[in-house]
Parts: sequence; C-alpha cells; structure tokens
Amino acid sequence: EVQLVESGGGLVQPGGSLRLSCAASGFTFSSYEMNWVRQAPGKGLEWVSYISSSGSTIYYADSVKGRFTISRDNAKNSLYLQMNSLRAEDTAVYYCASVVVVAAALDYWGQGTLVTVSS
Amino acid sequence: DIQMTQSPSSVSASVGDRVTITCRASQGISSWLAWYQQKPGKAPKLLIYAASSLQSGVPSRFSGSGSGTDFTLTISSLQPEDFATYYCQQANSFPRLTFGGGTKVEIK
Repeated sequence: EVQLVESGGGLVQPGGSLRLSCAASGFTFSSYEMNWVRQAPGKGLEWVSYISSSGSTIYYADSVKGRFTISRDNAKNSLYLQMNSLRAEDTAVYYCASVVVVAAALDYWGQGTLVTVSS
Repeated sequence: DIQMTQSPSSVSASVGDRVTITCRASQGISSWLAWYQQKPGKAPKLLIYAASSLQSGVPSRFSGSGSGTDFTLTISSLQPEDFATYYCQQANSFPRLTFGGGTKVEIK
C-alpha cells in the first residue's frame, strides 16, 4: 500500500524556520517525481514546489522562491521542505504528493501537516 | 501564469441528481487537466486526468470532458459520498501546476 506521511509542522513565529518531512513507503520512491502543495485554512490548493526523481531538477512557486528549499533522500525514501523567513501567509496545511508523469497529475497524497506562522 | 476559473463556486444538489462543474483556463491547455475531490480534513483525491481519463478505482459516474480552455466534470447520479469540494488543475505548464478555486457540492 502506498503511503506518504508528512511531519514537522507546528507553530512558528514570523521570520522563523521549519523543516517538513515526507516519509514514503509502498512504492519505488526513487522513481517518482514529487511535489509539495499547500492549502491555507478554508482556502483552495496552491502548488509550492517540484523535484524530479533524481533531485536534479527543482521548481518553486514565485510565492516561496528564495525562502523554501525542496530536497529528497532516495536512500531514506524521504522528501523534505526547508522553510525559512516564514510569513503569516505561509500558514497552511502542507501536503506531499507524487506525480503521474504521463498525466501530469498528483495521484498519491499524504495526510498533510499544519504549519502556523504567528507571533 | 495560467489561471483556472471554476464555476459555480458552490452547488446544492440532491442524491440522484446530475451535477456539472465547469473549469475555464486563461489560455489553451490542450487536454492537460485533472480533477480532484476533497472531503473536509482529508487530502485531495485524483478523479480524472488528461481531461477525460478516469483514475483507477474511481466510480464510472464521474466523467470529464473538454479541451483547449473549457472543461467539465460531470457526476451522473450524485451519491451521498460525493458531497465534497472539487478542484480542477492544469498541467500544461508542468511542473508548475495551477488549481481552480474549487466547487463545493452541498446537500440540498
């Protein structure tokens, strides 16, 4: 069974940092491209970042570029999101999700981890 | 950036009703469109990809159509478990994905 489990969320002050993790199991993680998608409370979905299967190609949404860093460790079947210079508008549930490349759609999602940026 | 506009933002319907949700792209995206269902407190679930291909395990009452800029998601006979929020997502600019604002399907 495919499982993606996020962790690392919590309450952080504006300007602070947080590192999210996503542990993958039940599939060959190293073969899959991965994304982070977030959802502010009561709002819609926003794509945040993408990383290729090898980690060599990375993209960010303009809203997080220069502040967030996506990475992965295929030996540990894990995806990460390092978030720096956090702002109130970064408050959201953060999901990791795998890509069905042929369809350019997100087929497996984690349960999400809540990040709250507040003083 | 490609913008995705969904309509309506909410719809009230009864069990057994046919429900249609529309998604419009700000520029042509061929068939690079997916639909997701999200229930409260849960992660989104992929329903349709490539505009009209049904994801494995998704009931056949869900269908998608369209190409270019205009797309629809149709639920042929609404079931109690279908009350949720639905999102479209363009992938023409993959991996930079854009989602629509969502359509909440509520019980009438």
